[in-house]
Amino acid sequence: DTGVSQDPRHKITKRGQNVTFRCDPISEHNRLYWYRQTLGQGPEFLTYFQNEAQLEKSRLLSDRFSAERPKGSFSTLEIQRTEQGDSAMYLCASSLDLFGRDTQYFGPGTRLTVL
Amino acid sequence: DQQVKQNSPSLSVQEGRISILNCDYTNSMFDYFLWYKKYPAEGPTFLISISSIKDKNEDGRFTVFLNKSAKHLSLHIVPSQPGDSAVYFCAAPKGGAGNMLTFGGGTRLMVKP
Repeated sequence: DTGVSQDPRHKITKRGQNVTFRCDPISEHNRLYWYRQTLGQGPEFLTYFQNEAQLEKSRLLSDRFSAERPKGSFSTLEIQRTEQGDSAMYLCASSLDLFGRDTQYFGPGTRLTVL
Repeated sequence: DQQVKQNSPSLSVQEGRISILNCDYTNSMFDYFLWYKKYPAEGPTFLISISSIKDKNEDGRFTVFLNKSAKHLSLHIVPSQPGDSAVYFCAAPKGGAGNMLTFGGGTRLMVKP
């Protein structure tokens, strides 16, 4: 078990560019979550997948954001036309559905800086 | 509407003493709570959880207490060690079909040698 991994760990981009982040969950976990964390705040939920199905999206997830989880394995989060307000740590977590008592395990995050 | 709150942004404790981190919640539907620890440049690491059917859960140096009537939980670390210095978050899952977590704003714990 290698834990949840995320790539890249850091991304610096110019405003208006598109960026894509990848998350590889713990292999047997069927749930995958994306969160965003800004300085001094707790992580905020963005979206979640049960296997390959995207079941819920936060109102924080504007139409510039899209997430996929093909085949229920790794997931990607794409931000189009980045804005300076998108600068944050993007965290991925995975869990095994245990009837409401699943524990989410987080990856190291991708820190995005939009110049 | 911040449903999970950690009102102390920071806490400083001497090594060997007890650290008490507090968390309040407003949503009476929350029935499961988790504590995470976060070091700089790393993702949150799960520490300990508690179900609403209990009022206490202990794991080594870490104990979480839940007071449902007050909608309050606390994390006790005894004895505190310098390696415990980190930001601590309490969180509660929404429940139902999805278990997305609602986090508090975090408390930065500094344990002085």
